[in-house]
Amino acid sequence: KQEVTQIPAALSVPEGENLVLNCSFTDSAIYNLQWFRQDPGKGLTSLLLIQSSQREQTSGRLNASLDKSSGRSTLYIAASQPGDSATYLCAPVNTNAGKSTFGDGTTLTVKP
Amino acid sequence: NAGVTQTPKFQVLKTGQSMTLQCAQDMNHEYMSWYRQDPGMGLRLIHYSVGAGITDQGEVPNGYNVSRSTTEDFPLRLLSAAPSQTSVYFCASSLQTGGKNTEAFFGQGTRLTVV
Repeated sequence: KQEVTQIPAALSVPEGENLVLNCSFTDSAIYNLQWFRQDPGKGLTSLLLIQSSQREQTSGRLNASLDKSSGRSTLYIAASQPGDSATYLCAPVNTNAGKSTFGDGTTLTVKP
Repeated sequence: NAGVTQTPKFQVLKTGQSMTLQCAQDMNHEYMSWYRQDPGMGLRLIHYSVGAGITDQGEVPNGYNVSRSTTEDFPLRLLSAAPSQTSVYFCASSLQTGGKNTEAFFGQGTRLTVV
């Protein structure tokens, strides 16, 4: 059974800092891994999708890396802004029927 | 392009009542799934479907039924609501090609309270 751990559980930083969110998973037999953002009381918004054959994916100030063999992914956020405050979730998709498993998330607060 | 639409957004049920949570997507996605999100437990998969007429159980299927008569719709039925089913429910969809899923899209959720 896939298990996903996200560290840290919560993070508070001043505006402008660069930061890294970590995700580890136990089963490396994945098709891809997706990072999501969730604002309080809202649904999940897709940020980045990394295919199992890729090492990293970039979108604006976000960069996600994937090391499938070691079961790790990181989400790098450059020049953080208060609008980045949210919970960030990672979800590897296993080869078994394409099911996603979610971590508990990292709750980020960016202070002005 | 509406994406994934869930209705209702909020619902209060009495113990023992039944109801159906609706989910519709307009992206012609084969793969659809239902999750529940509870504090401290993350998102857990309830049921999923890889296409019309095909459904399967996820991690926490007890107390829920699903059917997939069309590609667009994937309703979740609570047979006899219990307080333990108080949660936020999310529906998701993605393309599935050769068993591989592409980017998943989520609805805005249904907040269900069972009293």
